[in-house]
Order: sequence, then C-alpha cells, then structure tokens
Amino acid sequence: NAGVTQTPKFQVLKTGQSMTLQCAQDMNHNSMYWYRQDPGMGLRLIYYSASEGTTDKGEVPNGYNVSRLNKREFSLRLESAAPSQTSVYFCASKFRDRGTGELFFGEGSRLTVL
Amino acid sequence: TQLLEQSPQFLSIQEGENLTVYCNSSSVFSSLQWYRQEPGEGPVLLVTVVTGGEVKKLKRLTFQFGDARKDSSLHITAAQPGDTGLYLCAGSLASGAGGTSYGKLTFGQGTILTVHP
Repeated sequence: NAGVTQTPKFQVLKTGQSMTLQCAQDMNHNSMYWYRQDPGMGLRLIYYSASEGTTDKGEVPNGYNVSRLNKREFSLRLESAAPSQTSVYFCASKFRDRGTGELFFGEGSRLTVL
Repeated sequence: TQLLEQSPQFLSIQEGENLTVYCNSSSVFSSLQWYRQEPGEGPVLLVTVVTGGEVKKLKRLTFQFGDARKDSSLHITAAQPGDTGLYLCAGSLASGAGGTSYGKLTFGQGTILTVHP
C-alpha cells in the first residue's frame, strides 16, 4: 500500500543549483498538492493541480514550478535554489479538490540550500 | 498574518494529564480538519468536522467545531506518551469568505505535544 511516494527524501544543494522533487500517488486521486513546512509556520501551499492537465499557484509559489505529468505524478522544480527554500517539502493528494476529503501526504523531502 | 491561529505552540505534560489545543480564526470555514504528524512522516488525518457546534470523539480525543464555524478545539483526556506529536488544524474557507483561497486547505502553525511517561 504505497499511497504517496516522494523522492528524494534528503537533498543538499548549493545556491543557484536546480533540482526536481518527484511525487507519485497510486490511489487514483484527481488532485495533487505541494506544501512546504517550516518551524512555526505550519504547512503552506506552493502549487496544486486540481485535476490532470491543470496547475495553479498556491500561497507561496515564487521560485518554484510544477508539472502534472499524468494523473499519478506531480513534480516540483526549483530552477535556482536559494537558502530561503531550505525546508521540508510534502506532496499530498486528494480524491477531489473541493469538498471535505482527506489529504494523503508523502513522507516529506528535506531540502537544505547552502 | 496566519489565517488559522493555533495555541499553544508547545505543550509539555505528564502522562495522565488532560489538555486542550485551540484553533481560531476570524474567517468562517465550511469544514475543519485535524491532522497528527510524527517525526519524519507526513500528517495523517484524525477527524473532519463540518457542522457548527459539532462534537466528534475518537477514543480519548474530543474534537469540537465552534457554533459560528470560526474555531475548533481538540481535547485529549488522560494523555499517553503515544499521543506525542505535532497536531495541525486545517480549514477550508466557506464560499465568499476567502477569494482565491476558497476550497483550499489552510493550515494552522501546529502544536507540538510532548507527553512524558
């Protein structure tokens, strides 16, 4: 029962480097999300994809891009990493964007930008 | 400014004590969820409340949604070390109450609970 799988789990980057966080879900969910978690800030939405073929900005999109590759996969790209992007990143999925459904989270990807 | 304010941010108690965590806002939510997160893992849903005044119980945990749907509380009776973790409230803004935030889950800052044996 994989659920939501994120890779990599840990990554260290230098300022200016780029990288892509990968996320896949096997629950046939329509909606997928990327959050970042910082101490004392809770979870903040970066980008989301309400359905395959659509992506939208969340609360803190600057410095990030996303791709909904297919129904299962949703990737997050940092084109030019900055120390302010040091955080724990969580991918999540939900059956449908609207409504009271449960968000299922991956285990997180811890990113450090030096 | 945080849309959902959780308090307290940190709670350290002894096994057997009771505790309450609060989640407050000036906005109206169509629903509110509570998640629990353990170190190195993603949050896991505990409960969803949708009706003003609703009370839900999950073993020793009692969740309440305020009458005006602007606040919620989580009460744990006789806390155990296994309850240790980060508790997060998350709300979905009611129609017309948040513009572009409508339908999206907004998270509180979280409450780190430590229960000592």
